[in-house]
Amino acid sequence: EAGVAQSPRYKIIEKRQSVAFWCNPISGHATLYWYQQILGQGPKLLIQFQNNGVVDDSQLPKDRFSAERLKGVDSTLKIQPAKLEDSAVYLCASSSSPRDSYEQYFGPGTRLTVT
Amino acid sequence: AQSVAQPEDQVNVAEGNPLTVKCTYSVSGNPYLFWYVQYPNRGLQFLLKYITGDNLVKGSYGFEAEFNKSQTSFHLKKPSALVSDSALYFCAVSPTGGFQKLVFGTGTRLLVSP
Repeated sequence: EAGVAQSPRYKIIEKRQSVAFWCNPISGHATLYWYQQILGQGPKLLIQFQNNGVVDDSQLPKDRFSAERLKGVDSTLKIQPAKLEDSAVYLCASSSSPRDSYEQYFGPGTRLTVT
Repeated sequence: AQSVAQPEDQVNVAEGNPLTVKCTYSVSGNPYLFWYVQYPNRGLQFLLKYITGDNLVKGSYGFEAEFNKSQTSFHLKKPSALVSDSALYFCAVSPTGGFQKLVFGTGTRLLVSP
């Protein structure tokens, strides 16, 4: 089966600009996650969707970050305006069910550099 | 709140030797524990998990991990390391019940020398 797709793979922007990332989960996976991985750290959950509803966004900086999952499939994560500390790899993951699988499948990530 | 500690930034081992990558956790209740591996410029790949049952769990690529409740540890092991095992390894924990939010450790870089 096809894996989790993300685009773009790399993005360089200046601070205060906006940027958007796209994720297409594995077909049929109801749960979608966005993680932020800063260099030298483990991934940190930003937001979790169950179908098109938000389950957990407690660590999402809502003043600048937003995410949506229209129709319960693809998702976009947006940063506006970006700050230097947003430089990180943004990982998208999906799982078939929050209870049945427990395994999350990760995409290759988008490496964001804010200058 | 749940947390994971990986005390070693890097583990060095010679090819053919056994390897251990350490992980300890803190979580209320019974934990769900995971190991993921990350190769350069690639996303995380699932290796193995402990949900319940036998304390020794076997996973992909010959890796295994031992759940020790009294020591709150979930160390990753492999009897004979390969150069191709060189990568970044992450331990993660999720509380039982609810939705499967993963909390990751900071990662341990494994370097296997020929």
